[in-house]
Amino acid sequence: AQSVTQLDSQVPVFEEAPVELRCNYSSSVSVYLFWYVQYPNQGLQLLLKYLSGSTLVKGINGFEAEFNKSQTSFHLRKPSVHISDTAEYFCAVSEPYNQGGKLIFGQGTELSVKP
Amino acid sequence: AAGVIQSPRHLIKEKRETATLKCYPIPRHDTVYWYQQGPGQDPQFLISFYEKMQSDKGSIPDRFSAQQFSDYHSELNMSSLELGDSALYFCASSPIASPYNEQFFGPGTRLTVL
Repeated sequence: AQSVTQLDSQVPVFEEAPVELRCNYSSSVSVYLFWYVQYPNQGLQLLLKYLSGSTLVKGINGFEAEFNKSQTSFHLRKPSVHISDTAEYFCAVSEPYNQGGKLIFGQGTELSVKP
Repeated sequence: AAGVIQSPRHLIKEKRETATLKCYPIPRHDTVYWYQQGPGQDPQFLISFYEKMQSDKGSIPDRFSAQQFSDYHSELNMSSLELGDSALYFCASSPIASPYNEQFFGPGTRLTVL
């Protein structure tokens, strides 16, 4: 069975500081990994995805993530955050399409950017 | 670009009432997923459909049922509502034969049960 663990439930950071949101996954098969962002009272927006190939994935809004197979991690990073990055961030792993393909989410990390 | 449409966006019901949530996937997306996100929780998979057939089932109560219609839109029917059903319900759609299963989420329906 697949699972996702987000290691920090809350991450406070000052504006223009770098940030890393940590995500570890467990899977016995090839994985597709995703980061979604949820702004207050809004839906889920895809930030970036890892499907195959280069382990460094770049997404929207200046975010990037690195897939590390040996450490089963997919940490999200941004070199300089803005107030507008304040949101809930979810890491997710996808079941193989031929097994239903549902997304399994981590518990979420609340990023709070302070001026 | 067209996105996933969910209606209604907000719904308030009393206990023991019924509710129907609708999802209109992106054109040419044949797979629909439903997720439930309780307050302060991560989204939990409920049920999915591929080509109008149920493809997978998660922790969906027996009081809930869903289907996908010939135009690929989907409806989630919820009966005998309980206070604990108050949540944000997301629908996501996926393109035809996508091996990577990239899911596109709708804005959600916020259900409040009083």
